[in-house]
Amino acid sequence: DMKVTQMPRYLIKRMGENVLLECGQDMSHETMYWYRQDPGLGLQLIYISYDVDSNSEGDIPKGYRVSRKKREHFSLILDSAKTNQTSVYFCASSFAGPSAETLYFGSGTRLTVL
Amino acid sequence: SQLAEENLWALSVHEGESVTVNCSYKTSITALQWYRQKSGEGPAQLILIRSNEREKRNGRLRATLDTSSQSSSLSITATRCEDTAVYFCATDSGGNYKPTFGKGTSLVVHP
Repeated sequence: DMKVTQMPRYLIKRMGENVLLECGQDMSHETMYWYRQDPGLGLQLIYISYDVDSNSEGDIPKGYRVSRKKREHFSLILDSAKTNQTSVYFCASSFAGPSAETLYFGSGTRLTVL
Repeated sequence: SQLAEENLWALSVHEGESVTVNCSYKTSITALQWYRQKSGEGPAQLILIRSNEREKRNGRLRATLDTSSQSSSLSITATRCEDTAVYFCATDSGGNYKPTFGKGTSLVVHP
């Protein structure tokens, strides 16, 4: 079954706490992504990972870091979360190709930072 | 700045009608994708149209791509209430593939 799984679905944290968002995929996709979605702003790319330990900044990487130690897992880490990081975070995965490939998205994690 | 952008914030139609969502983009691309996002879900791809294609269909959906005007359209015929969603176009940025999404067009289909 082709699936991207995100945990947790909902998360409430206090400002200054560390946050770990986890994502898994069962399709052996090389490439994985983290996006955040805010009303009126669409989906903004935070980080992209081309394979294990091969990560690249997206358009809004500040305040975030990522970890990919296994092809099927991609984590997003917020060190000392800020209130403006309240958002819905989506993980996605795709095959690596010479050009655009289909992105498969998870159901998202709604993070609230108080 | 937004590399891809839908031209309307919101659309409203009645069931059975046809509707078209348009998208413009700013860079050369290898492909353009259309995604649909229903409330509480992640986006799901509808159509991927490559730069050497002019039209692609998927059931009631039809996407066009005009690389000269850097624009694309997604048409839905015989709309259903379950087509209610936000529709996004997404492009790559040519050589360095980092998918960029527009802000989306919210479509409401009324019974």
